[in-house]
Amino acid sequence: DVKVTQSSRYLVKRTGEKVFLECVQDMDHENMFWYRQDPGLGLRLIYFSYDVKMKEKGDIPEGYSVSREKKERFSLILESASTNQTSMYLCASSYPGTGGAGKNIQYFGAGTRLSVL
Amino acid sequence: AQRVTQPEKLLSVFKGAPVELKCNYSYSGSPELFWYVQYSRQRLQLLLRHISRESIKGFTADLNKGETSFHLKKPFAQEEDSAMYYCALTGLEGKVIFGPGTSLSVIP
Repeated sequence: DVKVTQSSRYLVKRTGEKVFLECVQDMDHENMFWYRQDPGLGLRLIYFSYDVKMKEKGDIPEGYSVSREKKERFSLILESASTNQTSMYLCASSYPGTGGAGKNIQYFGAGTRLSVL
Repeated sequence: AQRVTQPEKLLSVFKGAPVELKCNYSYSGSPELFWYVQYSRQRLQLLLRHISRESIKGFTADLNKGETSFHLKKPFAQEEDSAMYYCALTGLEGKVIFGPGTSLSVIP
């Protein structure tokens, strides 16, 4: 059973703080993703990574950066947190490819609810 | 523009009634289409994908490339189907696009 673990369920930070959100997966998946989930907007992709040290911008990368030093770990960094970054953050991982069993299916973590005051 | 639309934010149906959650997409190429579901207090999980052509929990979805749609259907809704449903596509480059979601409420 695939497990995607996000280090915190709830975080409260102050404006201007540097925030680290950690995600670990145990299925040796190449692809990892960070989304934010907001009511009425669905899931919006912030960044994704298809290999160690590789990253691609998603739809809303501004104000965020990521780090993937090891295959199983993908970190999201808010360099200087702002109130408009208050949201639910979801991490996901997947095995890449098309057509095959298990490929491209996203496995999600439980989420981190971040409040920036 | 590449996007996934779900026109209904909220959908309420009575138990036993048919349900259809609409999904349309815009993508240049042949994406892979998925439906994900999030039950209350649970993490987001896959419901079904178009290449599997299978029925999960009584739900089916047919990919209509001409209409660029991937509507989710179930002939008889159950109370346990109440959840948030997201349509999503994955392109060849690996990027994933989710729709805004539809909250389904099944009334007993």
